[in-house]
Amino acid sequence: GAGVSQSPSNKVTEKGKDVELRCDPISGHTALYWYRQSLGQGLEFLIYFQGNSAPDKSGLPSDRFSAERTGGSVSTLTIQRTQQEDSAVYLCASTVGPNSYEQYFGPGTRLTVT
Amino acid sequence: EDKVVQSPLSLVVHEGDTVTLNCSYEVTNFRSLLWYKQEKKAPTFLFMLTSSGIEKKSGRLSSILDKKELSSILNITATQTGDSAIYLCAPPMHGAGSYQLTFGKGTKLSVIP
Repeated sequence: GAGVSQSPSNKVTEKGKDVELRCDPISGHTALYWYRQSLGQGLEFLIYFQGNSAPDKSGLPSDRFSAERTGGSVSTLTIQRTQQEDSAVYLCASTVGPNSYEQYFGPGTRLTVT
Repeated sequence: EDKVVQSPLSLVVHEGDTVTLNCSYEVTNFRSLLWYKQEKKAPTFLFMLTSSGIEKKSGRLSSILDKKELSSILNITATQTGDSAIYLCAPPMHGAGSYQLTFGKGTKLSVIP
């Protein structure tokens, strides 16, 4: 079956602009995670969605970052007033359910802020 | 603070060599440890280890967990150029309802012909 998909695969934006990154999880997976991987850094957790529960936003680095998940499926990560330090690969992962540790990752979006 | 350390950070070997990658962790309420292979952007799942001393195997790759030593190793035998990638280990950390993965910085493996 289809895996996790993300769009766009690459995004170049000017400093100060807003960007939206999209993630479509594996069909039937109820849990969805966003991670960020900056150059030379490990993957860092950003936010988690599970069904209709309140999201775990503990990893969001600033209030310029927000995310939503509509209808329990597709998720959008929004970065407002982008800064150069936001340049990174943004990865989305989904799992079968809240107690499943095996996360399946999408191909990522490479964001470059100029 | 939860911490994951991988070693070596990078490794260059010739095709046919055997390599051992190390992962040590300090995680409260440890449940399991996952290994991923990252070639371009997306990490692909390799193994999940929950029990100490039980080897998991997939082709030329194998991995084992040592809960007493708080560590895991990933072995790759008869390496091929297609094994060149960054190998990541990650124990899930229980957050506010989530099991976010806490990744190490990874080991960059380069296999040369």
